[in-house]
Amino acid sequence: DGGITQSPKYLFRKEGQNVTLSCEQNLNHDAMYWYRQDPGQGLRLIYYSQIVNDFQKGDIAEGYSVSREKKESFPLTVTSAQKNPTAFYLCASSVAGGPYEQYFGPGTRLTVT
Amino acid sequence: GENVEQHPSTLSVQEGDSAVIKCTYSDSASNYFPWYKQELGKRPQLIIDIRSNVGEKKDQRIAVTLNKTAKHFSLHITETQPEDSAVYFCAGTNSAGGTSYGKLTFGQGTILTVHP
Repeated sequence: DGGITQSPKYLFRKEGQNVTLSCEQNLNHDAMYWYRQDPGQGLRLIYYSQIVNDFQKGDIAEGYSVSREKKESFPLTVTSAQKNPTAFYLCASSVAGGPYEQYFGPGTRLTVT
Repeated sequence: GENVEQHPSTLSVQEGDSAVIKCTYSDSASNYFPWYKQELGKRPQLIIDIRSNVGEKKDQRIAVTLNKTAKHFSLHITETQPEDSAVYFCAGTNSAGGTSYGKLTFGQGTILTVHP
């Protein structure tokens, strides 16, 4: 699959460490999103960005930070302030000005012990 | 903000039967309702979507219906096949403009199992 990629697929960290998850897209999409997926809770929005150098908090932004310096890239940092960081993280992108279909990356499974 | 409730959480059917998953939403201004399918270990993918100016949309064995008055929408899968087994998510969004454009609120997901 091309289009939108996330790395790494699996990530292990010790409690108290910050960790950055990568998300890159070559779809020329202006909008990008970060979701957290936990069993039985669907996809919950962490942060989203409609344009370079601008982003907004989603529903569960506490303990996370993002940057949007390039159109193609939207990295997510899980900080030590996030109380329950172990989860599956999905990045998505779409054409801006929508709503339009969101295209998802393959996800990163983060385990913090 | 928008709240989307999805039922049932699990659904088990025999191959060839129909499956129906229902979602309700809270924001009467919501106007876009996509359905995503996520197979085990894979990324969610859009299977069908509907906008608030239509009441029904079909794509082969899949259909979505929207009742704006009751604020609910449903996914209908006919002639189910084992490869339809997956987690299905509904979502809603209010594209009122500004920074909320395109922001989706997802339901909790339905695990569909189709038995051969």
